[in-house]
Amino acid sequence: GQSLEQPSEVTAVEGAIVQINCTYQTSGFYGLSWYQQHDGGAPTFLSYNGLDGLEETGRFSSFLSRSDSYGYLLLQELQMKDSASYFCAVRQFLFQTGANNLFFGTGTRLTVIP
Amino acid sequence: GAVVSQHPSWVICKSGTSVKIECRSLDFQATTMFWYRQFPKQSLMLMATSNEGSKATYEQGVEKDKFLINHASLTLSTLTVTSAHPEDSSFYICSAEPNPDRESNQPQHFGDGTRLSIL
Repeated sequence: GQSLEQPSEVTAVEGAIVQINCTYQTSGFYGLSWYQQHDGGAPTFLSYNGLDGLEETGRFSSFLSRSDSYGYLLLQELQMKDSASYFCAVRQFLFQTGANNLFFGTGTRLTVIP
Repeated sequence: GAVVSQHPSWVICKSGTSVKIECRSLDFQATTMFWYRQFPKQSLMLMATSNEGSKATYEQGVEKDKFLINHASLTLSTLTVTSAHPEDSSFYICSAEPNPDRESNQPQHFGDGTRLSIL
């Protein structure tokens, strides 16, 4: 079966750096995406890694190692508004339809404290 | 660009009622749309993949007669929860794919979700 594992909860101090890890075991891996979701809201796209290495987008960076089936999301200069749930998602290409499927991880609830 | 509108945002209804949720791509055409369900404090679980002009592909364990999906045009997909019961109460989210493009960093754009509460 398929699985994506993330820590369930992380707490960090405002201004600090936090890393959220994701390990996966899936078929048809094409890349790893990260999404942010505030309570009651829709997932918001943060970052995508199609190749090994680090991708940086402002305060957020994401890393992928396909040989280790592992990735992480790094959040720097944490702000109170960063308190949310963060999901890694494996992107899988569906040859049958030509569409891109997303298989979501278990989610990590980040709480930023003053 | 790539805006997805989902309606309604909140539904409260009695057990046994059928509820229709609409998902529209506002500024692009979507050959493929996806329907997810999310229970409190859990992950997004894919229910089905909706392809314009053809039958939806349902994930294992999702009852196709319970969750009717119609994708009649390139900008609209609907999910109907038939004879809804309290256990169907959940957050339903749709997404749409602008282009089946392997190179796009963001293949799916999400609607704002529909919170369904069955009394």
